[in-house]
Amino acid sequence: QKEVEQNSGPLSVPEGAIASLNCTYSDRGSQSFFWYRQYSGKSPELIMSIYSNGDKEDGRFTAQLNKASQYVSLLIRDSQPSDSATYLCAVFLTGGGNKLTFGTGTQLKVEL
Amino acid sequence: EPEVTQTPSHQVTQMGQEVILRCVPISNHLYFYWYRQILGQKVEFLVSFYNNEISEKSEIFDDQFSVERPDGSNFTLKIRSTKLEDSAMYFCASSEGEGKGYTFGSGTRLTVV
Repeated sequence: QKEVEQNSGPLSVPEGAIASLNCTYSDRGSQSFFWYRQYSGKSPELIMSIYSNGDKEDGRFTAQLNKASQYVSLLIRDSQPSDSATYLCAVFLTGGGNKLTFGTGTQLKVEL
Repeated sequence: EPEVTQTPSHQVTQMGQEVILRCVPISNHLYFYWYRQILGQKVEFLVSFYNNEISEKSEIFDDQFSVERPDGSNFTLKIRSTKLEDSAMYFCASSEGEGKGYTFGSGTRLTVV
């Protein structure tokens, strides 16, 4: 059973549009959720964290969490070509110790 | 902004040789990690380290792997006898506490030939 699942993409959106990235996780008891951005050949960069149900906004980014549905998403408003990257969902799974478990990532392409 | 520093950025080694990857975590962070990412695959957990000892390790982290914090700043990953399948990007990360997000270093690309 996959623990953190993401659609690998690529997800293509036009410049200026809203990109919606989704992630599901297997463990209902999980409490901490993170989105990382990874450019090709580079390391993951933390862009959002969310711990409570609902929405959390930071600039053009909004993270959404629904623990009952075991679902976390990332919205990117006014998408720019520089947003083109792979977006990794990461979760502290209950019983998984103090380690982040990553999904496979969704590749986002923002087209001019 | 504080950062995690990794050296070298790229290492090429012959199969069977030992390699040591080095990391300097953020100074006030207490938890340290090594992850790896084989080209085109997901970021995989190797080991976590807290209070000068391993707190958890994955199945990948077998007897060929070891970690050490030789002084107050460095955190190293040693692979004793490298195999071709050890070729990957190795990322060091640190966090300030349980349940907190990790800050990753820029990585070491290890190529075993």
